Amino acid sequence: DGGITQSPKYLFRKEGQNVTLSCEQNLNHDAMYWYRQDPGQGLRLIYYSQIVNDFQKGDIAEGYSVSREKKESFPLTVTSAQKNPTAFYLCASSRGTGGQPQHFGDGTRLSIL
Amino acid sequence: RKEVEQDPGPFNVPEGATVAFNCTYSNSASQSFFWYRQDCRKEPKLLMSVYSSGNEDGRFTAQLNRASQYISLLIRDSKLSDSATYLCVVSPYSSASKIIFGSGTRLSIRP
Repeated sequence: DGGITQSPKYLFRKEGQNVTLSCEQNLNHDAMYWYRQDPGQGLRLIYYSQIVNDFQKGDIAEGYSVSREKKESFPLTVTSAQKNPTAFYLCASSRGTGGQPQHFGDGTRLSIL
Repeated sequence: RKEVEQDPGPFNVPEGATVAFNCTYSNSASQSFFWYRQDCRKEPKLLMSVYSSGNEDGRFTAQLNRASQYISLLIRDSKLSDSATYLCVVSPYSSASKIIFGSGTRLSIRP
């Protein structure tokens, strides 16, 4: 079955540590996205990529970095510069531009130790 | 004013009832509209797209009112399994990269 796989499901970060969240899709979608969701809040866009080897900052990119070396993969690194990383991180993909709906992975919960 | 606004609820209705909620958007150039459903501590899942002429999928009906800049979701004959948070999603441009999620409306169906 086609879908989006995020790993790990739960992640703990020590102070000063960088951590990387994995996102893989086999839907052959061109566009991929990373969102952050805090309790009781909506989704906020961190980064997005419309094509391999290209990505753009979203609304809250500070303290995060991404890469898009393969169409299927869009890993997110939460750097030590992100002082409040505890949140639910969601990866999504869509067929492309033009108002296509996004499909989500099942998320990674990140907490600070 | 937020770009996309939803009544956070919670809406607490009995099983079998009809419930409706709206979502307003501020950008009149918005092109694409969706409703997503999110269960507690889970990812959002696409419920339905919203078309200009309105559309129905079983017990769910979505409508778009461009003049007043809102979309609506109507759920008929509500089931216990409909309990979730419903997210309104608006794309102000033709690019999906600018998609904006509302904060959601919580719906709780009681037996």
